[in-house]
Amino acid sequence: QSVLTQPPSASGTPGQRVTISCSGSSSNIGSSPVNWYQQLPGTAPKLLIYINNQRPSGVPDRFSGSKSGTSASLAISGLQSEDEADYFCAAWDDSLNGVVFGGGTKLTVL
Amino acid sequence: QVQLVQSGAEVKEPGASLNVSCKASGYTFATYGISWVRQAPGQGLEWMGWISVYNGNTNYPQNFQGRVTMTTDTSTSTAYLELRSLRSDDTAVYYCARNGMAPDFWGQGTLVTVSS
Repeated sequence: QSVLTQPPSASGTPGQRVTISCSGSSSNIGSSPVNWYQQLPGTAPKLLIYINNQRPSGVPDRFSGSKSGTSASLAISGLQSEDEADYFCAAWDDSLNGVVFGGGTKLTVL
Repeated sequence: QVQLVQSGAEVKEPGASLNVSCKASGYTFATYGISWVRQAPGQGLEWMGWISVYNGNTNYPQNFQGRVTMTTDTSTSTAYLELRSLRSDDTAVYYCARNGMAPDFWGQGTLVTVSS
């Protein structure tokens, strides 16, 4: 059971906007920045969003992140078929003194 | 470009140790830490710890303490993961990742299968 809680699945049609939530507590999301990763099938995770809402170079601005209190969200606008992947949130946890991940959300593009 | 290239897949017997290497290129090795993360088949990501390449300091989560050792060799820009006393539930893909503001660039992963 993961420390951060994500919905196991999400879906949308091409062009739609989808959001993926990530719920934590005061010891992790409430006190640390949140990062998001995209994992395409059979590949290593790729950093998508860091420090809540920053995009690394090369990540399209269709991807955006936000955080409020002990929850965070990843939004994907203009959904494309190549966005079909697993998405994970992550944050530092002060109580566990380590990085904690969400269980992952499998995004299906219908 | 930043690259992390890991050693190849391994099959280990229960009780044995695994050793995975991670060779970095495309950046100044000593200016970033290295995190190790594993992923059991069909499961999520699990952080195994972090090492500062600059001074060798490590941070291991409680569930791995006593069983894991992370080291680096700055002469070859290579990081190493050792996990001892392997069990069947250690079967996973093991990833190294450069640690900037977050684990940003990741290695391709090393599949380790623990089976008798």
